[in-house]
Amino acid sequence: AQSVTQPDIHITVSEGASLELRCNYSYGATPYLFWYVQSPGQGLQLLLKYFSGDTLVQGIKGFEAEFKRSQSSFNLRKPSVHWSDAAEYFCAAQTGANNLFFGTGTRLTVIP
Amino acid sequence: DAGVTQSPTHLIKTRGQQVTLRCSPKSGHDTVSWYQQALGQGPQFIFQYYEEEERQRGNFPDRFSGHQFPNYSSELNVNALLLGDSALYLCASSPLHWGDEQFFGPGTRLTVL
Repeated sequence: AQSVTQPDIHITVSEGASLELRCNYSYGATPYLFWYVQSPGQGLQLLLKYFSGDTLVQGIKGFEAEFKRSQSSFNLRKPSVHWSDAAEYFCAAQTGANNLFFGTGTRLTVIP
Repeated sequence: DAGVTQSPTHLIKTRGQQVTLRCSPKSGHDTVSWYQQALGQGPQFIFQYYEEEERQRGNFPDRFSGHQFPNYSSELNVNALLLGDSALYLCASSPLHWGDEQFFGPGTRLTVL
């Protein structure tokens, strides 16, 4: 079955530390992949997306993600976390159906 | 550009009632998708509208229906509300091109008592 898995429900990091949020997908063919961020009471904002080509994708707010076909992964990274990065992060996949399939999300807490 | 707008922001209904949620897409977008986000979960696709027709549908019962108007705005209707319908309902708009970014509205928080 098609699925997007985010293994970490909640991650806590110190401000200034590096961050990696995990995402694995299970699809017959490589889907388009996305990372969205959701702040409390807000809608979803796109951080970055992968369609094809270069496997390291740069996004907004200093985020990047690396696509690894062999591991069916699309992990999100940031070298130095800011307190304003505290939010819920969602990985999503899109196939030919043109709708998004989301993981369950990872809640990021940033401590001073 | 106002982006995607949704109304109302919050809504409280009782079981068995019917509700209508509204969405105006981002300027230049002709495709509207609706998602349900239960507490602590990721959004789940309900359906997508293009050219005033439902083009795709997720795994939701017929109690969930929608409409798209000639100006591309859309409504989501839910009949015979259940407690389990309590969720954040998100509207997203995009051009109808596979892989194009979907822009999300702030959502409507529906509480069913």
